[in-house]
Amino acid sequence: DTEVTQTPKHLVMGMTNKKSLKCEQHMGHRAMYWYKQKAKKPPELMFVYSYEKLSINESVPSRFSPECPNSSLLNLHLHALQPEDSALYLCASSQEDRSSGIDNEQFFGPGTRLTVL
Amino acid sequence: AQKVTQAQTEISVVEKEDVTLDCVYETRDTTYYLFWYKQPPSGELVFLIRRNSFDEQNEISGRYSWNFQKSTSSFNFTITASQVVDSAVYFCALSEALGTTDSWGKLQFGAGTQVVVTP
Repeated sequence: DTEVTQTPKHLVMGMTNKKSLKCEQHMGHRAMYWYKQKAKKPPELMFVYSYEKLSINESVPSRFSPECPNSSLLNLHLHALQPEDSALYLCASSQEDRSSGIDNEQFFGPGTRLTVL
Repeated sequence: AQKVTQAQTEISVVEKEDVTLDCVYETRDTTYYLFWYKQPPSGELVFLIRRNSFDEQNEISGRYSWNFQKSTSSFNFTITASQVVDSAVYFCALSEALGTTDSWGKLQFGAGTQVVVTP
């Protein structure tokens, strides 16, 4: 299984709602990532998890809260978002070989298209 | 400062023409990785290739080929005999500073090049 799955595919939420994005992979990857992508722009890294621990937070506002319950799952909890947070949210995973000095390719999911009203 | 430059915003070709996408990168590290990803209209980024800084061999995979030149800090990508299915945005990305905890796993993407292939 070489797939990263994301749910939901589309999400529309109000600024007072609480919602969660889910990501799952079964490739045995121990690094997982959240990216945000605005239209006609490259993906922007938000968070990196390595062995279920948060290793990078790119100064993301606290209204985005990541969670890694186990090695296969990654969640992104959303609360009190702003309309400018509307974007495509991409999850990715990769083998974690940092100790070997290897940076492996990241495999991306199809993304969740989020609209904040 | 932009680490990865993809100067071509959009390239339009007719089917069967070749198309070359330019990628110029900037880094002070001696160990780094370069990647190309394809993003079709569906949105999912598809991994195409990874190259480390010590491997300057060019690579060919079917209709795709890559030219890595450290001397010019470039990692260009050519699609030979383009097809309509090649229409997508193509991103070049750089990963550096592998030994630094707060930089591992950080992909720095270029702005992307939109390729439009018409029949």
